[in-house]
Amino acid sequence: GAVVSQHPSRVICKSGTSVKIECRSLDFQATTMFWYRQFPKQSLMLMATSNEGSKATYEQGVEKDKFLINHASLTLSTLTVTSAHPEDSSFYICSATPLAGGYEQYFGPGTRLTVT
Amino acid sequence: AQSVTQPDIHITVSEGASLELRCNYSYGATPYLFWYVQSPGQGLQLLLKYFSGDTLVQGIKGFEAEFKRSQSSFNLRKPSVHWSDAAEYFCAVALGPGGYNKLIFGAGTRLAVHP
Repeated sequence: GAVVSQHPSRVICKSGTSVKIECRSLDFQATTMFWYRQFPKQSLMLMATSNEGSKATYEQGVEKDKFLINHASLTLSTLTVTSAHPEDSSFYICSATPLAGGYEQYFGPGTRLTVT
Repeated sequence: AQSVTQPDIHITVSEGASLELRCNYSYGATPYLFWYVQSPGQGLQLLLKYFSGDTLVQGIKGFEAEFKRSQSSFNLRKPSVHWSDAAEYFCAVALGPGGYNKLIFGAGTRLAVHP
C-alpha cells in the first residue's frame, strides 16, 4: 500500500519549453502533496506544499510563476516547469500524505529533467 | 530554527559488520522523526519512524533506531550490513500540524559496503 507514482521518469526538453510532471497516489487519497528538488549528491529541497483544491504554498526562493503546481484531485498533483532553462535540470520528487492523517510522506520514484 | 544534522557524509563498512548512522535534530517541540533510504536514481523509501512511546523503534530491512531526547539524537543501526544496503540515508523531522507536516531533511549519509 501507499504507492506514489510519477510520470514521466525521465524527460529531456529544449530551453524555453514547458514540461509537466504528474504525481499520483495510486492506492490512497492524499490530503497534501509535496514537491521536492534534489541536486546531485545533495539532500531534498522542499519547493512547495499543495492541498487539493487550494493554491500551493511555495517555499522561500521558489518562483511560483516558474513552477506551477496544480492539485486537482485527492490523487493527482502536477508540477509544470515553465520556460525551462538548463539550470532547471534536476531530479524532481513528489510525496503524498494520506487523507487518513499522520505525518508520514510516501515518495514517488522521481523525475529526471534535463533541459538542453 | 528547526534543523537536522547528519555528521557523516560518507561511511564505508564491510559486509556483515554493524552499522550506526548518526542524526541530531534541533526542534523545540516533540519531534516526529524518520529515516528514509534512497537508491541511486530512485525515490525515498521509509525505513522507520518515531512519533511517541518506546524510544527504540524497529523498521524494515533489519534496521532500528533509538530516540534519545537528552541528546537530541535519532541514530539508525543495523547489526549486520548486507551489500544491498549500499545507498543514501536521510534522517528527517516533521514539523507537525503547525508546520503543515513539512519534513526537514538532513544532508544525507552515503553508505558504501565492501564485500
